[in-house]
Amino acid sequence: DQQVKQNSPSLSVQEGRISILNCDYTNSMFDYFLWYKKYPAEGPTFLISISSIKDKNEDGRFTVFLNKSAKHLSLHIVPSQPGDSAVYFCAASAYGANSKLTFGKGITLSVRP
Amino acid sequence: DTAVSQTPKYLVTQMGNDKSIKCEQNLGHDTMYWYKQDSKKFLKIMFSYNNKELIINETVPNRFSPKSPDKAHLNLHINSLELGDSAVYFCASSQGLAGDNEQFFGPGTRLTVL
Repeated sequence: DQQVKQNSPSLSVQEGRISILNCDYTNSMFDYFLWYKKYPAEGPTFLISISSIKDKNEDGRFTVFLNKSAKHLSLHIVPSQPGDSAVYFCAASAYGANSKLTFGKGITLSVRP
Repeated sequence: DTAVSQTPKYLVTQMGNDKSIKCEQNLGHDTMYWYKQDSKKFLKIMFSYNNKELIINETVPNRFSPKSPDKAHLNLHINSLELGDSAVYFCASSQGLAGDNEQFFGPGTRLTVL
């Protein structure tokens, strides 16, 4: 039972354009959402997060939007750079102790020079 | 200056063997995790330890036995390896247990069972 879904396995965009990576979730208990970025042969690294009390969080070129009613979040990267080419994982958790991260299966982003 | 390190990076072994993967973090974190990324690419948590105490055990077969000798180390021992154990195993650490604490991941150990 996939509680975090990243339905598009891949995305290809031109350098300088916007990349929009989507994520849906089914568990209404999720209160915190994270995006991790992963390069080949490396572990995931934290990119940006958002709590359920917000609908937007911005960090430089990266912005995450949360639509709680739709149980949907998206990561916007603008402008996209070739170095952004990686696998992006959406993850969710519920506040509180003993909480765990539930990950989606990732989206492979390719940014063409 | 590796924050979370795992050894070995690659592990190829025969069915039925017993193997261990080691993990160390130098971040001073009190919580460590093991994740499995299978062929379908999902990253799924297996275990978490907080101050050497087992917190999460996600219905993992008891052939998998984590061991935390201290807060900086969380090793994973696997008995009687099966073909389905082939995957990439990631260790991670965080400060505290809360779901909003950033987790730092190691580079992964690719286990291949023949």
